[in-house]
Amino acid sequence: EVQLVESGGGLVQPGGSLRLSCEASGFTFSDHYMDWVRRAPGKGLEWVGRTRKKANSYTTEYAASVRGRFTISRDDSKSSLYLQMNSLKTEDTAVYYCARVRGVLVGSDYMDVWGEGTTVTVSS
Amino acid sequence: DIQLTQSPSFLSASVGDRVTITCRASQGISSDLAWYQQKPGKAPKLLIYAASTLQTGVPSRFSGSGSGTEFTLTISSLQPEDFATYYCQQLNSYPRTFGQGTKLEIK
Repeated sequence: EVQLVESGGGLVQPGGSLRLSCEASGFTFSDHYMDWVRRAPGKGLEWVGRTRKKANSYTTEYAASVRGRFTISRDDSKSSLYLQMNSLKTEDTAVYYCARVRGVLVGSDYMDVWGEGTTVTVSS
Repeated sequence: DIQLTQSPSFLSASVGDRVTITCRASQGISSDLAWYQQKPGKAPKLLIYAASTLQTGVPSRFSGSGSGTEFTLTISSLQPEDFATYYCQQLNSYPRTFGQGTKLEIK
């Protein structure tokens, strides 16, 4: 069964750091780009960022709201995706989802498999 | 950044109704658009990609159309399990933005 399972969420103070993990199973993780998406309370979905695969030098993309504070990485040997979140703000409070990206070409890079999410709360 | 505007933001409908949700892009994005469904407490689910291609396993009552700047998601005959929030997402440029969502509620 194709599956993504996030972990690492919790309560953190403003200015703090947190590292989320996403463990993949049931498919060849190294073949896929991977995304992080979040949903803040009462808000809609927000794309956070992406890591490409080894063939694309593991390059990354980020939303402006997190660029410079969040870092996406992956360990293909562990079929795992990570989101390092630094300098956290109250507005980063959200459920964070990891998602598998189906294709690599522009327009075909939709997210076809999603985890159930992990909750991050930034509050003093 | 490309802005996506969905209309309506809220929609009240009955089982059996035909409903249409519109997604407008701030600039042309060819057919680089996906639609997702999200139910409370659950992960989003891919419904349609490339504006009109139905994801495997998604019921045929869902359909998508459009290109350029205007897109639609249509549910031909609402079923009880279709009451959820729907999002469009553009796949044309970074950042990969979503529409604000359309919450479909039971009338």
